[in-house]
Amino acid sequence: QVQLVESGGGVVQPGGSLRVSCAASGFTFSTYGMHWVRQAPGKGLEWVAFIRSDGINKYYADSVKGRFTISRDNSKNRLYLQMNSLRAEDTAVYYCVKGDGWGQGTQVTVSS
Amino acid sequence: QSVLTQSPSASGTPGQRVTISCSGSRSNIGTNTVNWYQQLPGTAPKVLIYSNNERPSGVPDRFSGSKSGTSASLAISGLQSVDEADYYCAAWDDSLNGWVFGGGTKLTVL
Repeated sequence: QVQLVESGGGVVQPGGSLRVSCAASGFTFSTYGMHWVRQAPGKGLEWVAFIRSDGINKYYADSVKGRFTISRDNSKNRLYLQMNSLRAEDTAVYYCVKGDGWGQGTQVTVSS
Repeated sequence: QSVLTQSPSASGTPGQRVTISCSGSRSNIGTNTVNWYQQLPGTAPKVLIYSNNERPSGVPDRFSGSKSGTSASLAISGLQSVDEADYYCAAWDDSLNGWVFGGGTKLTVL
């Protein structure tokens, strides 16, 4: 059974940085591409980034390109999202997604 | 504006059959498979349908998915009050090189 557990969210000032993590279990992590998806308060789902199984090919939404970096450690079954130059509009719940499985999300709030 | 288009709302009475549609283009739905997600109030999304019409174990067979051309549909039969939720479609877009979502459909059971 797919289990995805996010951590690392919190409150950060505009312009600051934060790294969120996702611990994966219940499937062979190293063979699946993984996404980060976010949801701002009261809004719909917004795709943020995707990384292929080997960690080489990465894709980003235009809204985060150049500021966010997705990475993974297949030896630890972990997915990461490094977020720099954070803005108020990045405030959202961030979900780690396998495609057929979602984590419970971690809240990121950008506020002074 | 979302790349995939969904009606913002839908409704039905208990026992009815409801259909939620998702419209895209050749670069997303026309080329790639569609997933459907259900988000109950205050919870994380959960997959209902993957690869256009496949149901994960544990999802009732009241839920079914289909795709034709650049559109996809989610059908819910035997509507129940527990089905009140937001429903989202998603597909990979080859032109944008990204995963695109519909804006979501809020289903109300009257």
